[in-house]
Amino acid sequence: SQQGEEDPQALSIQEGENATMNCSYKTSINNLQWYRQNSGRGLVHLILIRSNEREKHSGRLRVTLDTSKKSSSLLITASRAADTASYFCATDATTAGNKLTFGGGTRVLVKP
Amino acid sequence: SQTIHQWPATLVQPVGSPLSLECTVEGTSNPNLYWYRQAAGRGLQLLFYSVGIGQISSEVPQNLSASRPQDRQFILSSKKLLLSDSGFYLCAWSPIKSPLHFGNGTRLTVT
Repeated sequence: SQQGEEDPQALSIQEGENATMNCSYKTSINNLQWYRQNSGRGLVHLILIRSNEREKHSGRLRVTLDTSKKSSSLLITASRAADTASYFCATDATTAGNKLTFGGGTRVLVKP
Repeated sequence: SQTIHQWPATLVQPVGSPLSLECTVEGTSNPNLYWYRQAAGRGLQLLFYSVGIGQISSEVPQNLSASRPQDRQFILSSKKLLLSDSGFYLCAWSPIKSPLHFGNGTRLTVT
């Protein structure tokens, strides 16, 4: 079963606008990760936020985590056409090893 | 630097035929290895993961099996493919407690 569920399922914005997507999960986690997938390709890791962190930045990416609400958000600022991709959250709820559970993803289209 | 190779990129197989997808990792030792499947427009479903040679954990009962004959080699197999086995198969590796690094995937179509 899917642990994380992204919202919205699809997002269309103009270049230069910000894109925000949310992820909700059901159980306690050790960390939450966001990945990006270009069409027909493998996933690329973007950012990891640990359960004791509330916010993290990486370039134009900002991730927040609210463990009380079991939710996370990914913000892409000043979007570019090259940001067009699907974005997935993944949760790690294990204490041994690294076994991620992925959500269904948000498809982002950035129009030039 | 570490690299992951997954092949073939695309595969069309008839129902009832066998399957073998191979994944190899270079530049690291004793990685965790994973096979995921992605249905069209959907998220990833973990099929198998391995923390060492010969150690395979199956997440979903199905028509597939996995093997790890060498430290950096992970193989996904089936004796007889079903139509429902169609999908995008992704291999990934990670060090312990670190993000996953994915291969470019294999698009499998069972006809």
